[in-house]
Amino acid sequence: QKEVEQDPGPLSVPEGAIVSLNCTYSNSAFQYFMWYRQYSRKGPELLMYTYSSGNKEDGRFTAQVDKSSKYISLFIRDSQPSDSATYLCAGLSGGGADGLTFGKGTHLIIQP
Amino acid sequence: KAGVTQTPRYLIKTRGQQVTLSCSPISGHRSVSWYQQTPGQGLQFLFEYFSETQRNKGNFPGRFSGRQFSNSRSEMNVSTLELGDSALYLCASSRFSQNTEAFFGQGTRLTVV
Repeated sequence: QKEVEQDPGPLSVPEGAIVSLNCTYSNSAFQYFMWYRQYSRKGPELLMYTYSSGNKEDGRFTAQVDKSSKYISLFIRDSQPSDSATYLCAGLSGGGADGLTFGKGTHLIIQP
Repeated sequence: KAGVTQTPRYLIKTRGQQVTLSCSPISGHRSVSWYQQTPGQGLQFLFEYFSETQRNKGNFPGRFSGRQFSNSRSEMNVSTLELGDSALYLCASSRFSQNTEAFFGQGTRLTVV
């Protein structure tokens, strides 16, 4: 079992909808949680990161972490076709000894 | 501000050969981490270099090695290539070791035939 699990999708939603992307993790040592967006044939792009449990908002994006249930979420408001990409969540332990541990990503399609 | 630059973008090598990939981090960033991305395993951590020293290492065989130069540029070497080494190799730079803000390059697509 991978330490970070994501539904691979594809997840298809109409333009303007609120998108909810989720991950579960098993490593209790994770203290930081990141969301990356990756377009085809490009490297991952950091969207945002959070520390421990709680919410963080940046524009149309909101990240949510619940350490008690080991659950990570990313919400995208007013979704646009340009948001169509693969979204990767990742965890990082406090010492960072194992680098970023990624889920395999969720492929998101925003239909115009 | 220039991003992370990886060269070359594409490589085709024969099984048994060795290959060297290069990564130039964002100016001022002293940490470079390398990752392997495959459809089956996703993104997996190879190793991290900070101030020319390997700080952390993932679970990969010794055929995978790297180094970092005084200008923070990093190289990754894979010896005795196997078909299973075909992947997208990504490097990420950050200001500090295992910093939460890691920025990725476009990657080098390696195909082993």
